[in-house]
Amino acid sequence: GGIITQTPKFLIGQEGQKLTLKCQQNFNHDTMYWYRQDSGKGLRLIYYSITENDLQKGDLSEGYDASREKKSSFSLTVTSAQKNEMAVFLCASRLGGAETLYFGSGTRLTVL
Amino acid sequence: QQQVRQSSQSLTVWEGETAILNCSYENSAFDYFPWYQQFPGEGPALLIAIRSVSDKKEDGRFTIFFNKREKNLSLHIKDSQPGDSATYFCAASESNNNAPRFGAGTKLSVKP
Repeated sequence: GGIITQTPKFLIGQEGQKLTLKCQQNFNHDTMYWYRQDSGKGLRLIYYSITENDLQKGDLSEGYDASREKKSSFSLTVTSAQKNEMAVFLCASRLGGAETLYFGSGTRLTVL
Repeated sequence: QQQVRQSSQSLTVWEGETAILNCSYENSAFDYFPWYQQFPGEGPALLIAIRSVSDKKEDGRFTIFFNKREKNLSLHIKDSQPGDSATYFCAASESNNNAPRFGAGTKLSVKP
């Protein structure tokens, strides 16, 4: 079996700060995703990547950048953190041709 | 705009009852509908899924009923147990698209 590791688990930032969240998977999956989870709003797609160096915008990409440096890693940058922003950012991966997403346990972001 | 809608944010049932979680969608091109289960502090995990060519999928105590004409589906959890208390997400995707969309989630509480 494999695992998805998200770092850090908790991230506290200041308003206007640039913050980076990291995700690593050892499934050897092709596609990776970043979702934002807010209470009452479910999971909203920010970015996804179907292979190394590929990037596709999701429904909520404004205010974020992403980078797929290699097959096993996918990072997300909050370009300018908003005050009172609190959400959990979930990374997921999927093998090409399969349909099941495997999720990490999330990074909880708080902006002061 | 929410492409996948879950009608209830929360649901409480007694142990042994059948919990029914509802979901609807907008996009007629969606043809794969997984349900994910999430426990606090963890990422969502696939519970059961159905393709649009079927109207029912059963796996133990969990059953999906699917109505393509009405663009809705429901997850039935028979003989609910306290250990089933979790948040359930309905999701949808197109077979030629890599990015599943999720509903807002239904938080199920099963009282002993």
